Amino acid sequence: GQQLNQSPQSMFIQEGEDVSMNCTSSSIFNTWLWYKQEPGEGPVLLIALYKAGELTSNGRLTAQFGITRKDSFLNISASIPSDVGIYFCAGPGGGADGLTFGKGTHLIIQP
Amino acid sequence: DAGVIQSPRHEVTEMGQEVTLRCKPISGHNSLFWYRQTMMRGLELLIYFNNNVPIDDSGMPEDRFSAKMPNASFSTLKIQPSEPRDSAVYFCASSFTGARDYGYTFGSGTRLTVV
Repeated sequence: GQQLNQSPQSMFIQEGEDVSMNCTSSSIFNTWLWYKQEPGEGPVLLIALYKAGELTSNGRLTAQFGITRKDSFLNISASIPSDVGIYFCAGPGGGADGLTFGKGTHLIIQP
Repeated sequence: DAGVIQSPRHEVTEMGQEVTLRCKPISGHNSLFWYRQTMMRGLELLIYFNNNVPIDDSGMPEDRFSAKMPNASFSTLKIQPSEPRDSAVYFCASSFTGARDYGYTFGSGTRLTVV
């Protein structure tokens, strides 16, 4: 099946720093999704991307659909404590309606 | 809307026992997904239903796992007999087929520990 590779696996940053993470696929996607999971909860959709080259923002979060359609990027500007969590990329896979998820990037913010 | 409701939130059981996880999807959603989350393997799709019918169960690890959706408002995931390697967080998600962003809403998960 399709595989999504996320990097980095984890990030330890200071509050106020910018964050960058990425996701690559073994095959071409026509949709990229970014989710955030907070402790004890299920993932929640942050941003959806539908077109190669597309750049979409949600507050301090910005995501881009890579030109090759095999990668996507998520940036968080001026991180704050509530940004802590696991960030997942996801794309179509696992059947007509199923999503395949990357293994996630753990974001830890040090005071 | 109360969202996707999963029960129990936590389950600790002994190896060999039967475990049943429950999920109530969002009213009006017609697709339901069961995922398993572990540190090693991340989020894995186990099975999904569309209009209460199982569409793809290729992710179910082995015959010890079974899932049912008897009606649009209820689904179960059963493990019998349970083994320590089944310890994980199990998520249920629901969506409306054809949503452009796939429209997943996840429940809060069931943390299963098999000792």
